[in-house]
Amino acid sequence: DTAVSQTPKYLVTQMGNDKSIKCEQNLGHDTMYWYKQDSKKFLKIMFSYNNKELIINETVPNRFSPKSPDKAHLNLHINSLELGDSAVYFCASRPPGPGPEAFFGQGTRLTVV
Amino acid sequence: AQSVSQHNHHVILSEAASLELGCNYSYGGTVNLFWYVQYPGQHLQLLLKYFSGDPLVKGIKGFEAEFIKSKFSFNLRKPSVQWSDTAEYFCAVFGGGKLIFGQGTELSVKP
Repeated sequence: DTAVSQTPKYLVTQMGNDKSIKCEQNLGHDTMYWYKQDSKKFLKIMFSYNNKELIINETVPNRFSPKSPDKAHLNLHINSLELGDSAVYFCASRPPGPGPEAFFGQGTRLTVV
Repeated sequence: AQSVSQHNHHVILSEAASLELGCNYSYGGTVNLFWYVQYPGQHLQLLLKYFSGDPLVKGIKGFEAEFIKSKFSFNLRKPSVQWSDTAEYFCAVFGGGKLIFGQGTELSVKP
């Protein structure tokens, strides 16, 4: 059983299109995240949700809109895709409190052409 | 502001060599530190973590790390690397409700 699963794994699309990435976790965690990994492998947080509520929004362009229909799902919708959006996007989840680690999905490699 | 700095961008070792990857953090609260590994084309996996207790923590695959509070460091070590350890290694601190990652260190192990 995959703990944190993302779909699709690969996404190639043209500039200007709108696309969504889905994420689901079956760990029962309250908190979920989206991270962006750029071409230099740097990981930067984009959003954090706790029990469907937005907690962190790290100055991400408003073309990016996360949606959490329930605490097991955190989807990422991207409008008007730009070349600079090409990256690997990772979803993660984490139980509450200090100490525990975050569990990451397999990543979605987005290529904008 | 919280931050994590990894000293080495790319490390190249021969099999059986010893490894030490540097990590320094800046965070004013209770420290919660992690090392993650990312094998080529894969997701991040936890190697080890420190929250409290013994500052020398042991992780999977023979890795260990030492938390030195006075130096704000959490260096990763392995006495003898294998070709299969070739990967990207990330140090991270949990603070402000999020994991903050260092820049990553690419480890290449030559057979």
